[in-house]
Amino acid sequence: EAGVTQFPSHSVIEKGQTVTLRCDPISGHDNLYWYRRVMGKEIKFLLHFVKESKQDESGMPNNRFLAERTGGTYSTLKVQPAELEDSGVYFCASSPYFMRRSKFFGPGTRLTVL
Amino acid sequence: QKEVEQDPGPLSVPEGAIVSLNCTYSNSAFQYFMWYRQYSRKGPELLMYTYSSGNKEDGRFTAQVDKSSKYISLFIRDSQPSDSATYLCAMSMEYGNKLVFGAGTILRVKS
Repeated sequence: EAGVTQFPSHSVIEKGQTVTLRCDPISGHDNLYWYRRVMGKEIKFLLHFVKESKQDESGMPNNRFLAERTGGTYSTLKVQPAELEDSGVYFCASSPYFMRRSKFFGPGTRLTVL
Repeated sequence: QKEVEQDPGPLSVPEGAIVSLNCTYSNSAFQYFMWYRQYSRKGPELLMYTYSSGNKEDGRFTAQVDKSSKYISLFIRDSQPSDSATYLCAMSMEYGNKLVFGAGTILRVKS
């Protein structure tokens, strides 16, 4: 069974540009989470989808970040416009609805904003 | 003050040693406690999951939670070079909801 996949693995953009990160969860997992780790800091929660609905978006830093999960399958996280402080590793995780403690993380997308 | 404190290390031990990793936290509302292992360029992988206070053992790994002291530990017996990784503690207030992570401890097991 394929794990959580994320694309791209690494993205380098200029400040002010737009970047879209994609996450494909494990098939059948209703829960999808985004986390990020910025340089020197802990991994921090961004938001949680249950199917296509946003269950908790309390960790989204500001309105430059937009997450979507159309159809309850893959999710995208768009940063527009990107700022220097957005650099870090963005992780996606998924879990089955009835085993929400079992979060499977993807390898992450490393975002560098110059 | 951070909600979860974890010494980033690195912690270097010889093969076969017993490793002790720990975290402290400030929010007494945390009920669920986890340890994740993360290899370089990979995502975190769940190792241990504990609800409330107590001990849990799985093979060479033992997790302990002391809610009265707001202190959690992970012990690794007979450590192997393959255990070399970053170990992250994480906790949540509600089942399956958002995790609050520690900074992670880098462990190196030398053969």
